[in-house]
Amino acid sequence: AAGVIQSPRHLIKEKRETATLKCYPIPRHDTVYWYQQGPGQDPQFLISFYEKMQSDKGSIPDRFSAQQFSDYHSELNMSSLELGDSALYFCASSRSDRVGDTQYFGPGTRLTVL
Amino acid sequence: AQSVAQPEDQVNVAEGNPLTVKCTYSVSGNPYLFWYVQYPNRGLQFLLKYITGDNLVKGSYGFEAEFNKSQTSFHLKKPSALVSDSALYFCALRGGATNKLIFGTGTLLAVQP
Repeated sequence: AAGVIQSPRHLIKEKRETATLKCYPIPRHDTVYWYQQGPGQDPQFLISFYEKMQSDKGSIPDRFSAQQFSDYHSELNMSSLELGDSALYFCASSRSDRVGDTQYFGPGTRLTVL
Repeated sequence: AQSVAQPEDQVNVAEGNPLTVKCTYSVSGNPYLFWYVQYPNRGLQFLLKYITGDNLVKGSYGFEAEFNKSQTSFHLKKPSALVSDSALYFCALRGGATNKLIFGTGTLLAVQP
């Protein structure tokens, strides 16, 4: 079965640079979520989109922005990167934004900021 | 406020023995509870969920979980542990009007051969 695809899988950036993470949801899933998992921590919700509109927002820094495109893929744009942004970034998708729908996670993008 | 607690950082069990990974939650309204497993350098894999109905939920790889409303718990169980079950397990809650998952701090399961 098709899964959530994330690219790139690994990314190394310098402080103050920008990064773009991409997420391709499972086919026919219209809802996408972004989570950040710091070293040894649990995943923290950043932002979600349903039918290309932002549906919920968590602890996402103002330096980050995201959007969902017409083909339902999503991109997380990160600017003025800081050392503390080093983390594993997960994208998840679900069939809809109903609370009972399961979120299926991608393999993650490991971002290292030097 | 909604929250999830996993009181054990690590659970050790011998292969073939039953295992339990504990999870308690706090939410106003109906809880929607999930278990995910994370292997090293991998994404989160969905195991099972409780939405409504039977309190005993069966999931992938022989895992099951019991929802207990009075104790606000959703413990993950497996009758016979395998070494390959060794991984990090996260309990997660989705409740109220939000569609985000709130995760517990994770429990590292170590199954000894």
